Amino acid sequence: SQQGEEDPQALSIQEGENATMNCSYKTSINNLQWYRQNSGRGLVHLILIRSNEREKHSGRLRVTLDTSKKSSSLLITASRAADTASYFCATDHNDYKLSFGAGTTVTVRA
Amino acid sequence: KAGVTQTPRYLIKTRGQQVTLSCSPISGHRSVSWYQQTPGQGLQFLFEYFSETQRNKGNFPGRFSGRQFSNSRSEMNVSTLELGDSALYLCATRDGNTIYFGEGSWLTVV
Repeated sequence: SQQGEEDPQALSIQEGENATMNCSYKTSINNLQWYRQNSGRGLVHLILIRSNEREKHSGRLRVTLDTSKKSSSLLITASRAADTASYFCATDHNDYKLSFGAGTTVTVRA
Repeated sequence: KAGVTQTPRYLIKTRGQQVTLSCSPISGHRSVSWYQQTPGQGLQFLFEYFSETQRNKGNFPGRFSGRQFSNSRSEMNVSTLELGDSALYLCATRDGNTIYFGEGSWLTVV
């Protein structure tokens, strides 16, 4: 069963705009990770945030984590056409597996 | 370093047949895990191996099995295939907290 839920399910934005997606989970975590998946391909690791961290940046990506609300958000700034993909959050509960959310499909329009 | 290599990339099988998928991890990575991705169920954890030992298993029927060899390569097997087994099967290897996914094996059951 999936741990997380993501919203929105789909997002369509104009190139240059920011995209924000959210992830909620149910039980305490070791860390939370975000992945990108281009259509029909494997998952690409974007960023990891530990349970004792509140915010993390990597290039145009910003991730926040609120363990009291059991939620995380991923912000992509100044989006590009190449950012068109599905984005997944995954929680690591120190049990040798990741539990994935349903994903957010992002379409960046030129 | 070469990435996670999965073979075959695409295959079509008939109901009732069995299939074996292979995963070669990144050199030096000893943890290998498998995930099933379908439009309906999303990304579901199958099992994880480390040094030839299964450390965790997802909620899949016994038709799904796996193993890991001494060189860390892993295989998963699905017997008595059903239409619902049609999916993208993803292999992943772990280096600390960072997980690297292969491109997946697309299985279609007809």
